Amino acid sequence: EAGVAQSPRYKIIEKRQSVAFWCNPISGHATLYWYQQILGQGPKLLIQFQNNGVVDDSQLPKDRFSAERLKGVDSTLKIQPAKLEDSAVYLCASSRRTGMNTEAFFGQGTRLTVV
Amino acid sequence: GQQLNQSPQSMFIQEGEDVSMNCTSSSIFNTWLWYKQDPGEGPVLLIALYKAGELTSNGRLTAQFGITRKDSFLNISASIPSDVGIYFCAGTSGTYKYIFGTGTRLKVLA
Repeated sequence: EAGVAQSPRYKIIEKRQSVAFWCNPISGHATLYWYQQILGQGPKLLIQFQNNGVVDDSQLPKDRFSAERLKGVDSTLKIQPAKLEDSAVYLCASSRRTGMNTEAFFGQGTRLTVV
Repeated sequence: GQQLNQSPQSMFIQEGEDVSMNCTSSSIFNTWLWYKQDPGEGPVLLIALYKAGELTSNGRLTAQFGITRKDSFLNISASIPSDVGIYFCAGTSGTYKYIFGTGTRLKVLA
């Protein structure tokens, strides 16, 4: 089966600009996650969707970050306006979440550089 | 946000040696996952654990779900150069919200 697809792979923007990332999860996976990974750290959860509903967005900086998953399949994460500290890899993951099968699978990520 | 503590933070080992690393949490988890991340790539799932005390293998990798449900361990036997990378643990307490560890950076000397 195809893995989690993310685009773009790389993005360089100036501070105060806006940027959007796209994620297409593994087919049939109801749960979708967006993680932020700053260099040298583990991934930090930004937002978790179950189908098209938000389960957890407690760590999402809502003054500048937004995410949607309108049809319960693919998702977009937006930053507006970007700050220098937003430079990181943004990882999308998905999970089937049925019974015991709750493993999360990751895409390759989008590396964002804010200058 | 909460992160799990992994140790060691980094390690250099000789090819052929066995490697052990662990992950600890202040909370009880009911699922532990172990991932490997190569530079410029997303984390790749290695092993999933669902029961306290469970011991699961994947080739040369063996992971255990700690009895207290607050820790997990990963062992790599007979390391090879391609084992180099960053190993992350991740746990969840049932909400499917996965919290990640700080990572163990492994370097293998040929």
